[in-house]
Amino acid sequence: EADIYQTPRYLVIGTGKKITLECSQTMGHDKMYWYQQDPGMELHLIHYSYGVNSTEKGDLSSESTVSRIRTEHFPLTLESARPSHTSQYLCASSEYLAGVTGELFFGEGSRLTVL
Amino acid sequence: AQKVTQAQTEISVVEKEDVTLDCVYETRDTTYYLFWYKQPPSGELVFLIRRNSFDEQNEISGRYSWNFQKSTSSFNFTITASQVVDSAVYFCALSEASGTYKYIFGTGTRLKVLA
Repeated sequence: EADIYQTPRYLVIGTGKKITLECSQTMGHDKMYWYQQDPGMELHLIHYSYGVNSTEKGDLSSESTVSRIRTEHFPLTLESARPSHTSQYLCASSEYLAGVTGELFFGEGSRLTVL
Repeated sequence: AQKVTQAQTEISVVEKEDVTLDCVYETRDTTYYLFWYKQPPSGELVFLIRRNSFDEQNEISGRYSWNFQKSTSSFNFTITASQVVDSAVYFCALSEASGTYKYIFGTGTRLKVLA
């Protein structure tokens, strides 16, 4: 069982609201990722982090921002939500140990609907 | 640049048929990792297998088998005697050992197994 948790699982909010999607992992992984996915469709990398105080933008441009102040915590924030942000957001983490890339462990996802 | 192509958008089979899901990748690295994930209708991503670029041995796990061929840059996934519970979207992914620690996913193949 992967120990990576996302909250909220479901969120319905109005346009213009600020939201933060939480992601925490208890595995001590340095690498963490946020993917955006419409149901059953392609996963788009929007942010990733190598470790504390490191964040990078992914391949898909996103108006969201992330922070990595603690190893276990990688929250994603939207300052002003719009209907175009409606999607599922998946958080993941992985281990890179002795030169070997591990698999991604995924949270259950946060499904965001912006009205 | 790294890229993963899953040309089959959707496949339908009748229960007990064998089915192969194709995955073709592009990378300039000599060391890289390939993955398969399953995403059932519930939405979570389930890790199936990781393979590194130096290990071309095929792998079998129950009804699942994987065929890795560096010569054709392919990492295909076969389900033998498919079952309705195999219905899901399957994603192939690639991570290069050098550089960015990003995991790039293919667009996924939706498998429908009909009773």
